[in-house]
Amino acid sequence: GQNIDQPTEMTATEGAIVQINCTYQTSGFNGLFWYQQHAGEAPTFLSYNVLDGLEEKGRFSSFLSRSKGYSYLLLKELQMKDSASYLCAAFRRGKLQFGAGTQVVVTP
Amino acid sequence: DAGVIQSPRHEVTEMGQEVTLRCKPISGHNSLFWYRQTMMRGLELLIYFNNNVPIDDSGMPEDRFSAKMPNASFSTLKIQPSEPRDSAVYFCASRTPGTDTQYFGPGTRLTVL
Repeated sequence: GQNIDQPTEMTATEGAIVQINCTYQTSGFNGLFWYQQHAGEAPTFLSYNVLDGLEEKGRFSSFLSRSKGYSYLLLKELQMKDSASYLCAAFRRGKLQFGAGTQVVVTP
Repeated sequence: DAGVIQSPRHEVTEMGQEVTLRCKPISGHNSLFWYRQTMMRGLELLIYFNNNVPIDDSGMPEDRFSAKMPNASFSTLKIQPSEPRDSAVYFCASRTPGTDTQYFGPGTRLTVL
């Protein structure tokens, strides 16, 4: 996606921690979404950050720095079912602009 | 509660044919979005509606694509005539008033031969 950058793929073992970084252009920015998408399925909502800081939701946490145009999604205690694509999306002017997604591969 | 409903789930058609994709948003949601997802271009917004009115159609690729929302519970995306490069997964999403989070339907996988 235009102006939304995230790594293409990350590999980690079961039980480990993985951090997926996302950078975006700050013009018109209102908030940052993370969605999870399993192969052949629809994106499902994970988190939404509007203010700076860390928000924790179970094994998943999301961080935002508005001034730096930076966010990350932290996946803890990885499970095999966490193997999926993770999409970063900037919310601007009522619309979501998605990154290309980061494919996370969890190995035994 | 039912989520966003899309039909058909799969569509295979020949080049030049008309294709109509359908979406029923979550009850009470007043914003509806149509997206297209391909390996090359990722997830792209095509058009979105607020209260049945098209707000932004800047993502619609060309005149072959059109979308309507005749009422709060139904929307269509039409491609006429279809071309092989239109092959993609088309998602519909909806959003409740006063919030920013969009919820996606299961998608329609379109193949144009």
